[in-house]
Amino acid sequence: GAGVSQSPSNKVTEKGKDVELRCDPISGHTALYWYRQRLGQGLEFLIYFQGNSAPDKSGLPSDRFSAERTGESVSTLTIQRTQQEDSAVYLCASSLGPGQGQNGYTFGSGTRLTVV
Amino acid sequence: GIQVEQSPPDLILQEGANSTLRCNFSDSVNNLQWFHQNPWGQLINLFYIPSGTKQNGRLSATTVATERYSLLYISSSQTTDSGVYFCAVNSGGSNYKLTFGKGTLLTVNP
Repeated sequence: GAGVSQSPSNKVTEKGKDVELRCDPISGHTALYWYRQRLGQGLEFLIYFQGNSAPDKSGLPSDRFSAERTGESVSTLTIQRTQQEDSAVYLCASSLGPGQGQNGYTFGSGTRLTVV
Repeated sequence: GIQVEQSPPDLILQEGANSTLRCNFSDSVNNLQWFHQNPWGQLINLFYIPSGTKQNGRLSATTVATERYSLLYISSSQTTDSGVYFCAVNSGGSNYKLTFGKGTLLTVNP
């Protein structure tokens, strides 16, 4: 597609439920990233995919968080047993390859997750 | 890890005014980018500027890598410039992981 698409745009869930967030990157972009943005804060790195592999998962906050990517395309971020501190905007970005400079990173509009 | 500090945290301007936003970082960087997050949450790349000076219309940026800071200049500001401006860097062995500052919230009033 023309840009990075994320769904849903908003998600309200009850504490303890599992949620899945989806990212459709730009076609042909081999690198995909998930970031989290808490209210009033900058973005925190969660995970990096090169193709379908995740060489860097160091930013995932706990084992309740997992992500996968298939077909070198769509990625899903799953949060199990959600907690209130998981409330944030989850942003996905893609690039042709890692660290592609000026035009490298294209971000989606994010999924706003609220855990009640 | 590397620390990124942005100042000021908030800035209110009248349309037509000029402004300078600052980004300090605690270690050498491979990459530095400025982003604008509009009020709808969309992040837009403004500049890729690990060193030197670049200009794009009313915006320009300068990075002095040896002194570990970057400046974003906005001239003749417009209401559409409102939003949050983020500085983000790659450092160390990573060429893909961006570390973001907390941003500068800019409000331009008509």
